[in-house]
Amino acid sequence: RKEVEQDPGPFNVPEGATVAFNCTYSNSASQSFFWYRQDCRKEPKLLMSVYSSGNEDGRFTAQLNRASQYISLLIRDSKLSDSATYLCVVIPGGYNKLIFGAGTRLAVHP
Amino acid sequence: GAGVSQTPSNKVTEKGKYVELRCDPISGHTALYWYRQSLGQGPEFLIYFQGTGAADDSGLPNDRFFAVRPEGSVSTLKIQRTERGDSAVYLCASSPDRRETQYFGPGTRLLVL
Repeated sequence: RKEVEQDPGPFNVPEGATVAFNCTYSNSASQSFFWYRQDCRKEPKLLMSVYSSGNEDGRFTAQLNRASQYISLLIRDSKLSDSATYLCVVIPGGYNKLIFGAGTRLAVHP
Repeated sequence: GAGVSQTPSNKVTEKGKYVELRCDPISGHTALYWYRQSLGQGPEFLIYFQGTGAADDSGLPNDRFFAVRPEGSVSTLKIQRTERGDSAVYLCASSPDRRETQYFGPGTRLLVL
């Protein structure tokens, strides 16, 4: 079983739609959680951190459920520029050894 | 300011050859990481340096892979006797310290023919 699992998609949505991505992780001792965004043929970039209390940044909301070992990302009012791969990332602990999921592809169309 | 830079951006080599991939971290960043990303997958951890020393090399796939960071700044990932399965994007990241956000470079695309 992979340490971090995501639905690979692709999710094809129209502009203005709300879309949600989910991710599960296997290591219950994991300490930190993030969503990264990766554009085609580019490096990953940090989108946002994820906390148990929830974290909102504009149109993006991230949530962590430690009991279920589940992480989510909600994007409201999708824009064409949101088209990318979204990577779920977990830090097992100690230091910043990032464990990535395989990513979920999002394609927003007019 | 300048971000993480990696050279070359692309490298094509033949099976069995030796390659070196270079990473220039952000100035002052003490932590440096190498990851490998295969097509359709997320990046996979290879090795972590804190200063000059490799604090964790548990992700290196076998002894053909080796990395150094002799002066605590630039790092070189070395691959001996390359195999077609080594073809991937090799990403470098740095952070001010081990618990800080990592900033990724653009990667080196390695193709082994």
